[in-house]
Amino acid sequence: AQSVSQHNHHVILSEAASLELGCNYSYGGTVNLFWYVQYPGQHLQLLLKYFSGDPLVKGIKGFEAEFIKSKFSFNLRKPSVQWSDTAEYFCAVNPCMEYGNKLVFGAGTILRVKS
Amino acid sequence: ETGVTQTPRHLVMGMTNKKSLKCEQHLGHNAMYWYKQSAKKPLELMFVYSLEERVENNSVPSRFSPECPNSSHLFLHLHTLQPEDSALYLCASSQEYLPITDTQYFGPGTRLTVL
Repeated sequence: AQSVSQHNHHVILSEAASLELGCNYSYGGTVNLFWYVQYPGQHLQLLLKYFSGDPLVKGIKGFEAEFIKSKFSFNLRKPSVQWSDTAEYFCAVNPCMEYGNKLVFGAGTILRVKS
Repeated sequence: ETGVTQTPRHLVMGMTNKKSLKCEQHLGHNAMYWYKQSAKKPLELMFVYSLEERVENNSVPSRFSPECPNSSHLFLHLHTLQPEDSALYLCASSQEYLPITDTQYFGPGTRLTVL
């Protein structure tokens, strides 16, 4: 079945460490890609998105993601994490071959940043 | 404030009860979505409404019955649920269902427990 995979379910980092969260998808053809974040007790918020153009996308709060088409990947990165980045991160894909605005989510990665 | 509100935030119901979840968006969007987030599973799309018409039913059992009386409100009517239906139910909206590049904005969710 076609899907979205996030490699790590739990990640623990110290403040100032670099972050990379993996996301792979199995859809062929054109895709739109998203990273959402859910801070403790809050709703899902969009971090960044990729539709076309420059495969390196900058988002809010210093996050960026790189779309590598050949690897079907859209990994999320941040050079130096803060305690306030503790949250659950979700990768989502909108397969353009499907009709309409439908998101397929990965299982999520829980990030805990130790102060 | 995301512009998408959901009530109630928590709901406990028995298997013979009938209850409804409500979603309201204050963003002037034309598309609304119901997602289900079960423990240790990815977010799953349930229903999509575009301009008050249902455009997607993702093989959801008939004990879940959506209603979209206008473009700002979306309901999920629940009856004779099973304990495995316990989950977080998230509502989202986007400007349009097409184009598929529109960002979806999420509400805080309703945590449902079926006894």
